[in-house]
Amino acid sequence: AQKVTQAQTEISVVEKEDVTLDCVYETRDTTYYLFWYKQPPSGELVFLIRRNSFDEQNEISGRYSWNFQKSTSSFNFTITASQVVDSAVYFCALSEARYMRFGAGTRLTVKP
Amino acid sequence: ETGVTQTPRHLVMGMTNKKSLKCEQHLGHNAMYWYKQSAKKPLELMFVYNFKEQTENNSVPSRFSPECPNSSHLFLHLHTLQPEDSALYLCASSQEFGDFYGYTFGSGTRLTVV
Repeated sequence: AQKVTQAQTEISVVEKEDVTLDCVYETRDTTYYLFWYKQPPSGELVFLIRRNSFDEQNEISGRYSWNFQKSTSSFNFTITASQVVDSAVYFCALSEARYMRFGAGTRLTVKP
Repeated sequence: ETGVTQTPRHLVMGMTNKKSLKCEQHLGHNAMYWYKQSAKKPLELMFVYNFKEQTENNSVPSRFSPECPNSSHLFLHLHTLQPEDSALYLCASSQEFGDFYGYTFGSGTRLTVV
């Protein structure tokens, strides 16, 4: 069975601080995909990134970066120079060619 | 506008009521999903439909009854719910079942059972 753990339930930072959201996953498959979604107060989950299990190259998109390490089964998400608009719940998810399993989410609050 | 539309956005119902949640997508996707989001818990997959056929029922109580008349529409019929069923119900779609490219989510229906 697959499992996704986001150990940080809530994080609060002050604007312009860097913040890292942790995600650890469990799977027996060699082929799988990992995702991060953002859920703003409006409710819908907004897709941020997808990585496949064969590509451990880290990725940067503006202020967002992702660190995928198969050796530790982790897929962490860093926001650099956080902004108030980054306040949301962030979900990590794992897909093994059936359906996606989500972590419990991390609520990030960025204070001005 | 996300591409997946859910109505109503908010619903309050008594335990003896019958109501339905609606989900609609015009993205050309063939798979649709219902998820339940309770406070401080992982999103729970409830049902999966692929080409209008139900492929997954994740041990959901019979008081939740899904319906998928076509690939663009998905309903969740509710009857004799319990207060613990209060949650955000999210609909999602993907190009195919088992799609590695991720899902598109609606904004959800916030359900309160009184």
